[in-house]
Amino acid sequence: DVKVTQSSRYLVKRTGEKVFLECVQDMDHENMFWYRQDPGLGLRLIYFSYDVKMKEKGDIPEGYSVSREKKERFSLILESASTNQTSMYLCASSLWTGPDTQYFGPGTRLTVL
Amino acid sequence: GQQLNQSPQSMFIQEGEDVSMNCTSSSIFNTWLWYKQDPGEGPVLLIALYKAGELTSNGRLTAQFGITRKDSFLNISASIPSDVGIYFCAGPSNTGNQFYFGTGTSLTVIP
Repeated sequence: DVKVTQSSRYLVKRTGEKVFLECVQDMDHENMFWYRQDPGLGLRLIYFSYDVKMKEKGDIPEGYSVSREKKERFSLILESASTNQTSMYLCASSLWTGPDTQYFGPGTRLTVL
Repeated sequence: GQQLNQSPQSMFIQEGEDVSMNCTSSSIFNTWLWYKQDPGEGPVLLIALYKAGELTSNGRLTAQFGITRKDSFLNISASIPSDVGIYFCAGPSNTGNQFYFGTGTSLTVIP
């Protein structure tokens, strides 16, 4: 089975801190994604990557950056966390071909105080 | 990005009842996906639809790809407590490497 793991299930940070969220997949997938999930808004795409060192902005990239140095790992970085970034963050991966092959991690619930 | 609207936003039903939810888009999709998110977990794919008018079942779940390609429907028959969760519709971009998700329907099943 495909496994997508995220470094933390729960995280509490203070305003202004730099925050790293890590995601690792074990199926050699080309595409990796970061979403945030907020009640009533569904999943909104922050960034995605279709190859090592490649990244594309999603719908809400402001306040975030990403890093993909290895194929299996995709990191989301909050350079200076703010309270409006309190949310559930979901990582996903997929094969290059086939829209029905997106697999999600369990999510990281981030609280910024 | 694309906006997918789901309704209803939430549902509270008795165990054994049937459930219907839908998803609409302002533009055409060539594929519709339905995911379920259990509490505290990431979404998991339930059903994928590839053709307008297509009706696909997965156990007690049945999904339909709308004729206009701008909507899709999910039905759950004889609901059980483990059906609790958030149901999302999704559609891929034209390039296939982005996915647009609906706002979600939260389902609560009362035993």
